[in-house]
Amino acid sequence: GDSVTQMEGPVTLSEEAFLTINCTYTATGYPSLFWYVQYPGEGLQLLLKATKADDKGSNKGFEATYRKETTSFHLEKGSVQVSDSAVYFCALSPKAAGNKLTFGGGTRVLVKP
Amino acid sequence: NAGVTQTPKFRILKIGQSMTLQCTQDMNHNYMYWYRQDPGMGLKLIYYSVGAGITDKGEVPNGYNVSRSTTEDFPLRLELAAPSQTSVYFCASIDGVITEAFFGQGTRLTVV
Repeated sequence: GDSVTQMEGPVTLSEEAFLTINCTYTATGYPSLFWYVQYPGEGLQLLLKATKADDKGSNKGFEATYRKETTSFHLEKGSVQVSDSAVYFCALSPKAAGNKLTFGGGTRVLVKP
Repeated sequence: NAGVTQTPKFRILKIGQSMTLQCTQDMNHNYMYWYRQDPGMGLKLIYYSVGAGITDKGEVPNGYNVSRSTTEDFPLRLELAAPSQTSVYFCASIDGVITEAFFGQGTRLTVV
């Protein structure tokens, strides 16, 4: 079945550091790929998405590129802020009936001033 | 625009008790989902629905039931609560074309 693997956290960074969170997936066909963010005490909200190979999703300074050849969708941000402290989830959807999202295990990011 | 609303936010149950977690959305989305999130873990799909009157099992359905009598509502029922059901439960909805999933704020359930 479909699966998503992302690096375990926690990831602790200083403000203005570079952030990378690795995400790889296994799926049949060509799924849509997503990054969701969960701030403390809240539900998940979409950060960015890509729906086909070589697409780059971007939002709030975060970027991720859909790499079909390496089945990856790594999240990057060039200069993190304390407000980026959250849990980040990589997810895929097979674009099939039901559109079921499969999530990775989540990566907690802590940015220190 | 309320989005996806879950109630209650917190609940403590005793082993063997029953309860219903409520989820309602006001976006006229056809697809709705229930996930559970265990501490330090990702989200696992419990049940989902592709429209009113249609439900199907996800990867961890045991101990739960759902119904979908209207497009707006997708309640999750726990019949005999067990400590293994201690978790945070999230309801989500998606429209017919993949854009993004909208999540409720979650229900934190503790079974003692």
